[in-house]
Amino acid sequence: GQQVMQIPQYQHVQEGEDFTTYCNSSTTLSNIQWYKQRPGGHPVFLIQLVKSGEVKKQKRLTFQFGEAKKNSSLHITATQTTDVGTYFCAGRAQAAGNKLTFGGGTRVLVKP
Amino acid sequence: KAGVTQTPRYLIKTRGQQVTLSCSPISGHRSVSWYQQTPGQGLQFLFEYFSETQRNKGNFPGRFSGRQFSNSRSEMNVSTLELGDSALYLCASSPGGTGPYEQYFGPGTRLTVT
Repeated sequence: GQQVMQIPQYQHVQEGEDFTTYCNSSTTLSNIQWYKQRPGGHPVFLIQLVKSGEVKKQKRLTFQFGEAKKNSSLHITATQTTDVGTYFCAGRAQAAGNKLTFGGGTRVLVKP
Repeated sequence: KAGVTQTPRYLIKTRGQQVTLSCSPISGHRSVSWYQQTPGQGLQFLFEYFSETQRNKGNFPGRFSGRQFSNSRSEMNVSTLELGDSALYLCASSPGGTGPYEQYFGPGTRLTVT
């Protein structure tokens, strides 16, 4: 079945530094979504990418969808303590019945 | 608009029992999905309902079932509980239809099986 992998599983970042988390799918995706889950909270939708090679920005967050629509990345610049949480990518693939499949998440810890 | 609500928020059951969890979607949303979240397995898709019909199903045993009512509220049931069913069960709603809509998650029901 469809698999969505995220790396790294954990990311320790010094406040002010940049980092990137990567998402890779075993099948071509029709779209990809990113969610953030704060500790003790529930996933909250961040953004959706649909087009091949699409890049979207939200303040310090930059999201990219790969040309082959099988991978995506989230880049955060100048990390702040408010960025703490787990970031999930989730993709839909026609080959997998359009189920939304989540990656395992990248847990981000920020060192002040 | 009120967000997605889930009841109960916390539940403790013993092995062999059954449990029913409830989810009320955002008003106007017709699609409800259920996920199981555990530290080791992440977010696992259980099933999705749209207009009272199961549209998609994950790879869970038949002990896990669900349904959706005409007002879009949804319930999921787990029979013959096992220790491994201990998890956070999240419900998410979306407008539904054929678009790639984002999911709006509820706070979850924390189920502990002893």
